[in-house]
Amino acid sequence: AQSVSQHNHHVILSEAASLELGCNYSYGGTVNLFWYVQYPGQHLQLLLKYFSGDPLVKGIKGFEAEFIKSKFSFNLRKPSVQWSDTAEYFCAVIDGTDSWGKLQFGAGTQVVVTP
Amino acid sequence: DAMVIQNPRYQVTQFGKPVTLSCSQTLNHNVMYWYQQKSSQAPKLLFHYYDKDFNNEADTPDNFQSRRPNTSFCFLDIRSPGLGDAAMYLCATSRRLQETQYFGPGTRLLVL
Repeated sequence: AQSVSQHNHHVILSEAASLELGCNYSYGGTVNLFWYVQYPGQHLQLLLKYFSGDPLVKGIKGFEAEFIKSKFSFNLRKPSVQWSDTAEYFCAVIDGTDSWGKLQFGAGTQVVVTP
Repeated sequence: DAMVIQNPRYQVTQFGKPVTLSCSQTLNHNVMYWYQQKSSQAPKLLFHYYDKDFNNEADTPDNFQSRRPNTSFCFLDIRSPGLGDAAMYLCATSRRLQETQYFGPGTRLLVL
């Protein structure tokens, strides 16, 4: 089964700084890729997803992610963060060969944006 | 708005006392999932239903069971909660397998 690695467990940055969160999955083949965000005290929300097509995906709240098949990566970016982006971010993968479509989560990255 | 609803949002139970958590959805999705999420960890899939077909994860304890009486509702039963079962329990739905999952707000379970 796929495993998902998120490179940083905690990230602290100032408002207006750029954010990039790394995500790698373990092996190739057909994958569906997701980034979810969990704001403090709130439920998991979908930020963006990639199933096929343009590898540069735009999501909500100014986030984007790039799928690089050769690197098994799906990194999340935002050019200028706001205090309200403080949250936990989860990368997740569905392996296309898994008939049950299990969503494999990374361990998450806690992002704190300081004013 | 179409959504995933979980009740209650907070549940306190005693060690060994059975508890049932509820999930309902207005999305008319075919698949419903239950996850356990402990503090600062990723959600861990417990089981899911595709229509009436049930799939239990291999490492889900026998203590955890689920029922899906109809398309809209799914229940998580914990027969004899232990202290280690204290966690946030998340319900999610997807239209079909391998598609985007939409999560409810979760039920936080406290075991005394």
